[in-house]
Amino acid sequence: GAVVSQHPSWVICKSGTSVKIECRSLDFQATTMFWYRQFPKQSLMLMATSNEGSKATYEQGVEKDKFLINHASLTLSTLTVTSAHPEDSSFYICSARPSSGGRTDTQYFGPGTRLTVL
Amino acid sequence: KQEVTQIPAALSVPEGENLVLNCSFTDSAIYNLQWFRQDPGKGLTSLLLIQSSQREQTSGRLNASLDKSSGRSTLYIAASQPGDSATYLCAVGGNQAGTALIFGKGTTLSVSS
Repeated sequence: GAVVSQHPSWVICKSGTSVKIECRSLDFQATTMFWYRQFPKQSLMLMATSNEGSKATYEQGVEKDKFLINHASLTLSTLTVTSAHPEDSSFYICSARPSSGGRTDTQYFGPGTRLTVL
Repeated sequence: KQEVTQIPAALSVPEGENLVLNCSFTDSAIYNLQWFRQDPGKGLTSLLLIQSSQREQTSGRLNASLDKSSGRSTLYIAASQPGDSATYLCAVGGNQAGTALIFGKGTTLSVSS
């Protein structure tokens, strides 16, 4: 139980295009989801907290107009990287905190999405 | 602001050795602490979760301890195997349930046969 999926698992795009990454909780509902970013040889850094039905909360230094987050349902959050540039190339990982049907004090992580911007 | 530090950054050991990975954090007001494993190019595998009220957790050859007052945790791996080679990440949760995790930079472990 408590499985989180991400789609796509990897994506290559041209500079200037937009890319959407989906994060789904498959067997539980998640009022809150988190988006992290990991650059090569670095640790995971929190980008934003996504709350179902409300605006996301972004960490300092993360451009909310560039990284659009939508959490329209209790099982789906999306991250859209708008006008992507090579410096946005990274590993994006989401996590979901169960609001029911699981442990509400922990997070379950997706497998990550590798984004490469040419 | 919470900061998580992991020492050493890298570690190479021969198969069979027992080893200890260290994690320290600056703010002791944490809800829980979690150890993860990450293989190259892959996502995270949760190894052990320690609640702030607990002192340690064990799973197979892994044992994690938590000393919240001193801001330290250790991950003990017994009888290391080549399959244990990976990066081990320590992460702490905020002072409330369900807050985002703050990660250390990890310890990259290489176990040679």
